[in-house]
Amino acid sequence: QSVLTQPPSVSGAPGQRVTFSCTGSSSNIGAGYDVYWYQQLPGTAPKLLIYANKNRPSGVPDRFSGSKSGTSASLAITGLQAEDEADYYCQCYDTSLSGVVFGGGTKLTVL
Amino acid sequence: QVQLVESGGGVVQPGRSLRLSCAASGYTFSNHGMHWVRQAPGKGLEWVAVIWYDGSKTYYADSVKGRFTISRDDSKNTLYLQMNSLRAEDTAVYYCATDGGNFHSGSSHMNVWGKGTTVTVSS
Repeated sequence: QSVLTQPPSVSGAPGQRVTFSCTGSSSNIGAGYDVYWYQQLPGTAPKLLIYANKNRPSGVPDRFSGSKSGTSASLAITGLQAEDEADYYCQCYDTSLSGVVFGGGTKLTVL
Repeated sequence: QVQLVESGGGVVQPGRSLRLSCAASGYTFSNHGMHWVRQAPGKGLEWVAVIWYDGSKTYYADSVKGRFTISRDDSKNTLYLQMNSLRAEDTAVYYCATDGGNFHSGSSHMNVWGKGTTVTVSS
């Protein structure tokens, strides 16, 4: 069981908007630590998608956006495309564990 | 461009040891902390360990503490993971990644990843 909770799956049709939730606690997200999001396409290594809650690395389309509030964070994808089909992971630092923690990941299916 | 290449994976019996390597290129290796992250077959990502940019501090996940050791050789631009007393549950793809933040401040994250090396622990 992961320290950060993510729904196992999300789906949407091309062109739609989908959101991914990431729920933590007072020892990680709620403690003020930044949240990071990664995209893992099938058979490949993860890739940093969002850093420090809402910032996009160079090359990441502005269709991807992140936010954080309280003990939770969210990732949104607008204008869904078939190539977005992947697993998405949130990540944060946890002060109780003195380490980095990941969510269990959410699998996005583009219908 | 920044590149990380892992090596050293393979099939090993329970209780034995293995050392993974991660060769870095395209950036100043000694300026960045480094992580190992693993992914068991069909499962999610699990953070394993981090080493500070200067090698002065290391931190581990509870699941590997006392069995795994992370180290670095800046003269070779290489990161290592010494894995001892291996268990079946250590079977995974192991990724190395650069730290784009600062572990001490809680802003650690993985901004560049290697392609991974596979470790299978089986008798």
